[in-house]
Amino acid sequence: DVVMTQTPPSLSVAIGQSVSISCKSSQSLVYSDGKTYLHWLLQSSGRSPKRLIYQVSNLDSGVPDRFSGTGSQKDFTLKISRVEAKDLGVYYCAQTTHFPYTFGAGTKLELK
Amino acid sequence: AVQLVESGGGLVQPKESLKISCAASGFTFSNAAMYWVRQAPGKGLEWVARIRTKPNNYATYYADSVKGRFTISRDDSKSMVYLQMDNLKTEDTAMYYCTSSHFAYWGQGTLVTVSS
Repeated sequence: DVVMTQTPPSLSVAIGQSVSISCKSSQSLVYSDGKTYLHWLLQSSGRSPKRLIYQVSNLDSGVPDRFSGTGSQKDFTLKISRVEAKDLGVYYCAQTTHFPYTFGAGTKLELK
Repeated sequence: AVQLVESGGGLVQPKESLKISCAASGFTFSNAAMYWVRQAPGKGLEWVARIRTKPNNYATYYADSVKGRFTISRDDSKSMVYLQMDNLKTEDTAMYYCTSSHFAYWGQGTLVTVSS
């Protein structure tokens, strides 16, 4: 199975600060079609997860451009600029390149 | 707007069966692969099963932890996806989410509790 290693496990931030979350996979996430199926999800407290970014760097509809995703092969980063209160929760990276699909353990973003 | 609405969760005893459902709307359901993902209390996310579309022969895939016990199915005429869960174990206790291809959309989840 592809192991997704997310760091850090938690982050304390002040409103307006920028943060980055790292996600490293144990195998390349490039699929045979040339695309990289690495996604970022946010689960706010008590809510269902919501996808923010798909295929490394594409923002889902309605996601502010304060969010950005970069990376390739096995090394990926989610950056949040100018954190707002509604950004708090647990962030997961997830891959749908290899079966079984797998998730990172999550990064909890909290207010400082 | 896209909606995924799960139902059918509840409390069951070990070794019993349960079938949960997901009603989809707001997108062309028959063109979308569908997944089930679960989350044990206080834990992270675990992908459970996937079903492809009719042109892909409704091919199914399962996590090793549920293979041979769970069956995913779909009814395109009703825009529904199902998860039949047999021989349930206490470790299957979780919130079960229905999601669309590549985790684009999620339902609110249905809670399955396996306990004697």
